[in-house]
Amino acid sequence: DAGVTQSPTHLIKTRGQQVTLRCSPKSGHDTVSWYQQALGQGPQFIFQYYEEEERQRGNFPDRFSGHQFPNYSSELNVNALLLGDSALYLCASSRGQGQETQYFGPGTRLLVL
Amino acid sequence: GQSLEQPSEVTAVEGAIVQINCTYQTSGFYGLSWYQQHDGGAPTFLSYNALDGLEETGRFSSFLSRSDSYGYLLLQELQMKDSASYFCAVRDPGGSQGNLIFGKGTKLSVKP
Repeated sequence: DAGVTQSPTHLIKTRGQQVTLRCSPKSGHDTVSWYQQALGQGPQFIFQYYEEEERQRGNFPDRFSGHQFPNYSSELNVNALLLGDSALYLCASSRGQGQETQYFGPGTRLLVL
Repeated sequence: GQSLEQPSEVTAVEGAIVQINCTYQTSGFYGLSWYQQHDGGAPTFLSYNALDGLEETGRFSSFLSRSDSYGYLLLQELQMKDSASYFCAVRDPGGSQGNLIFGKGTKLSVKP
């Protein structure tokens, strides 16, 4: 049973560039949430996708956008990258919304220079 | 707003017992979760308390007091592999979709 997978594992970009991160949820899960985790901090909620729509959004600017595909996989896009966007980006999946238990992927570590 | 407070670091020796506390302030409350994260790894779910009292899962136990807005994670018979960061988390009461609000994490170091 495959868990949550994310790609790429690491990424280096420069300021102003755009980036796309990918996530495949755990088998049987239909809801995907994205979190940003800065060094030494807890994960911060970016947004959640269910039935291919953004259902909930955290306190992140419109430069952060996403998409969910019919197979439940998801993408996170960040435009006009800033140095402060350097972080570990985590994808979490669950079966349905409102679930207390979320299954996290290993994350994509993004470095913006 | 919502906030969770937990100690930033805890150190203990192998075989000992350690307690990691978490106090929270939220406008609504469903329950308290605990996640473990090893360096470079993914957060993994440890436990969830919706009601007051102690929940035990092997060497790990979690406690909740809703009246005190307080919970803790208890780790017994510490092993070196327990060295990790531990996060308490609550469901965002303003969001109906289950997104989590995490504390800043407690880094546990287990010494031989």
